[in-house]
Amino acid sequence: EDQVTQSPEALRLQEGESSSLNCSYTVSGLRGLFWYRQDPGKGPEFLFTLYSAGEEKEKERLKATLTKKESFLHITAPKPEDSATYLCAVRRGSGGSNYKLTFGKGTLLTVNP
Amino acid sequence: KAGVTQTPRYLIKTRGQQVTLSCSPISGHRSVSWYQQTPGQGLQFLFEYFSETQRNKGNFPGRFSGRQFSNSRSEMNVSTLELGDSALYLCASSLEAVYGYTFGSGTRLTVV
Repeated sequence: EDQVTQSPEALRLQEGESSSLNCSYTVSGLRGLFWYRQDPGKGPEFLFTLYSAGEEKEKERLKATLTKKESFLHITAPKPEDSATYLCAVRRGSGGSNYKLTFGKGTLLTVNP
Repeated sequence: KAGVTQTPRYLIKTRGQQVTLSCSPISGHRSVSWYQQTPGQGLQFLFEYFSETQRNKGNFPGRFSGRQFSNSRSEMNVSTLELGDSALYLCASSLEAVYGYTFGSGTRLTVV
């Protein structure tokens, strides 16, 4: 069974204090690792898709990286508006159930001014 | 470009009743997925439809069902509601699964 574990569960940063969120996964034949941001009362907002180990993607203060067993979401000089829950999900590439995403429980990020 | 639209946004139902939730995907997207989100379990996959065919179903009881229409709009139905069905129900659409999914804002269902 596919598994996704995110750590830490919660992270509190000061504005400008860079850090990283971790997503460890076990999946049969990875066909994509997805990062989403979710604000309270809203649906997840797509950030990145990574497909193979060594791949990196950046968007503003966020940078996502992928290895064969985990992904990191690096946040550089965060601002209060970066406060949200960050979700990681994987999609398998073989066998059944390869049209679903398996999500981690998320990391609640709070950035204080 | 309009996003994924879910209606209604909020629902309050009584145990034993049934409920139907609606999802309109992004224009041109033929894949529609449904997820249940609760504080304890996080996001859990319910089912996925592509061109009116259910391709995958998650580990939920038969009380949870869905369908997709020829215009790609989708509905999910929950019969004989239980208190534990209280959750945020999210719909996501995709051009093809490999490209990732765009989520709607969800329907908040409360069962009392």
